[in-house]
Amino acid sequence: DTEVTQTPKHLVMGMTNKKSLKCEQHMGHRAMYWYKQKAKKPPELMFVYSYEKLSINESVPSRFSPECPNSSLLNLHLHALQPEDSALYLCASSQRLAGGWDNEQFFGPGTRLTVL
Amino acid sequence: QQQVKQSPQSLIVQKGGISIINCAYENTAFDYFPWYQQFPGKGPALLIAIRPDVSEKKEGRFTISFNKSAKQFSLHIMDSQPGDSATYFCAASMDDYKLSFGAGTTVTVRA
Repeated sequence: DTEVTQTPKHLVMGMTNKKSLKCEQHMGHRAMYWYKQKAKKPPELMFVYSYEKLSINESVPSRFSPECPNSSLLNLHLHALQPEDSALYLCASSQRLAGGWDNEQFFGPGTRLTVL
Repeated sequence: QQQVKQSPQSLIVQKGGISIINCAYENTAFDYFPWYQQFPGKGPALLIAIRPDVSEKKEGRFTISFNKSAKQFSLHIMDSQPGDSATYFCAASMDDYKLSFGAGTTVTVRA
């Protein structure tokens, strides 16, 4: 199973709402990532977890709060978002937090988020 | 500051034609150069990757050409098919987790 799943597929929220995005993988990968992708742009790295611990935060605003409850799950909690936060949020995983060769990042299909 | 420059932004090719996407980089510490394919509504998927000590790598109809001295690499899609219509991203990394993506190229294959 080389699949990363993400729920929900689409999410519309107001600026005062609190919502969560969920990501799951069962490949035994120990590194998991959150990316943000705006239309017609490449993915931008937000957070990286390694062995369920937050390793990298790419200066993301605190209205985005990641959580890794276990080695298979990754959540992204959203609160007080702005309309400019509307984007495709991608989850990815890889065997370990290391270089790309023999350590491919597998991406999920993403959650399309719209903030009104 | 974009570390990997990709061109063209978009291209249209007839079925059976060749699609060529070019990327250039400055950082000579990069040692892994993957190409990702992304269909609408899907996440990117690794298509093919190359190391800088190899000048060419072919997988089916997809070929990466790598020119280390010029710090350029390109993706050739031979015998392009409508199913190849997607956005393609080149990327580079320095033996760590961080991928520096190019801006992306939208390929449209006309039947």
